[in-house]
Amino acid sequence: GQNIDQPTEMTATEGAIVQINCTYQTSGFNGLFWYQQHAGEAPTFLSYNVLDGLEEKGRFSSFLSRSKGYSYLLLKELQMKDSASYLCAVRDSNNAGNMLTFGGGTRLMVKP
Amino acid sequence: DAGVIQSPRHEVTEMGQEVTLRCKPISGHDYLFWYRQTMMRGLELLIYFNNNVPIDDSGMPEDRFSAKMPNASFSTLKIQPSEPRDSAVYFCASSRTSGPLSSYNEQFFGPGTRLTVL
Repeated sequence: GQNIDQPTEMTATEGAIVQINCTYQTSGFNGLFWYQQHAGEAPTFLSYNVLDGLEEKGRFSSFLSRSKGYSYLLLKELQMKDSASYLCAVRDSNNAGNMLTFGGGTRLMVKP
Repeated sequence: DAGVIQSPRHEVTEMGQEVTLRCKPISGHDYLFWYRQTMMRGLELLIYFNNNVPIDDSGMPEDRFSAKMPNASFSTLKIQPSEPRDSAVYFCASSRTSGPLSSYNEQFFGPGTRLTVL
């Protein structure tokens, strides 16, 4: 089975930097995904990590440490439109396909 | 590509009625997933298919739920009879086969069906 933990809520100020952490425990590992979900909308893919280290995509970066079962999503130069839920999801190498297990999501509120 | 298509977008029904949710995956994707999302339980995987074959249905809550995928471009999730606790947003997602470690093969989500059972 899999266990994925992330904070329920976070608040940050426009223009600042925020880090959203995710810890996981899995029997196998074949990649970690971050999704963004605005209220009332579907989750959309943000980033993917399978090897240790930092992946940067514009204002968003994602880090992975497989030995620690730890990832974080870093959002820079926060904008009001970044207010959303951020979902951490793990793909297990032990399952037969492309199945993901999602964490409960972190609701980020960006204030002026 | 139009992305994953779901219908209806909203459904309001009365307890005991049958509900059918529909999904058209992205063309060329061989995996299809059905999720349910609530405030209390977050995003839960109900069932997923590979090449139209159900692979894992351990997330299906009970026998009132059933899912089919008669062909590569269509899937249904049926609830019969529906109950108020089934009220949630139901998402369908699709993806390609998971490949080498370097490949994303991320899941693409449809807009969801917001179900309300009175």
